[in-house]
Amino acid sequence: GAVVSQHPSRVICKSGTSVKIECRSLDFQATTMFWYRQFPKKSLMLMATSNEGSKATYEQGVEKDKFLINHASLTLSTLTVTSAHPEDSSFYICSASSGRNYYGYTFGSGTRLTVV
Amino acid sequence: EDKVVQSPLSLVVHEGDTVTLNCSYEVTNFRSLLWYKQEKKAPTFLFMLTSSGIEKKSGRLSSILDKKELFSILNITATQTGDSAVYLCAVVGSSNTGKLIFGQGTTLQVKP
Repeated sequence: GAVVSQHPSRVICKSGTSVKIECRSLDFQATTMFWYRQFPKKSLMLMATSNEGSKATYEQGVEKDKFLINHASLTLSTLTVTSAHPEDSSFYICSASSGRNYYGYTFGSGTRLTVV
Repeated sequence: EDKVVQSPLSLVVHEGDTVTLNCSYEVTNFRSLLWYKQEKKAPTFLFMLTSSGIEKKSGRLSSILDKKELFSILNITATQTGDSAVYLCAVVGSSNTGKLIFGQGTTLQVKP
């Protein structure tokens, strides 16, 4: 149980375009989803927390107009990187929690974004 | 500010060796500590610890939490090359959002 699917696994886009990454909980209702970014050889950095039906809470230093997060249903959250630049190239990972308690986080498989 | 520190940052051992990875934390309103293994993709869950002194075990891996001294260790016995990975420690932090605060990770390389 507790499977989180993330798509796409890899995307290459041109500078200035927008990219949407999807995170789905397949067998549970995810009231809370988290989006992380990971640079090479570094740990995961939390970008934002999204709760179903409400606005995402962004961590300090993360531009909310640049990284648009939508959590419109209990099984789907999306992260859109708008007007992507090469410095946005990174590994983006989502995780999901059922919200009844915060134990047992499940991660998606991650998306490798390369902006050229 | 909530903080999670792992040590060592990297480790090279030979197959059959036993390793101990450390994770210390300073987090208000502690809820739980989680260990993950990360190879090329996203982290895979290993253990979740909430109570002090109770060892969790899975095969050659085991972990324990000390809430008084604010640390946890992850032990791997009889290491194999397949254990080579980054091991991440994370703590559920002070806010009621349940977000994870990650340590820097320990990169383990097991040589044949």
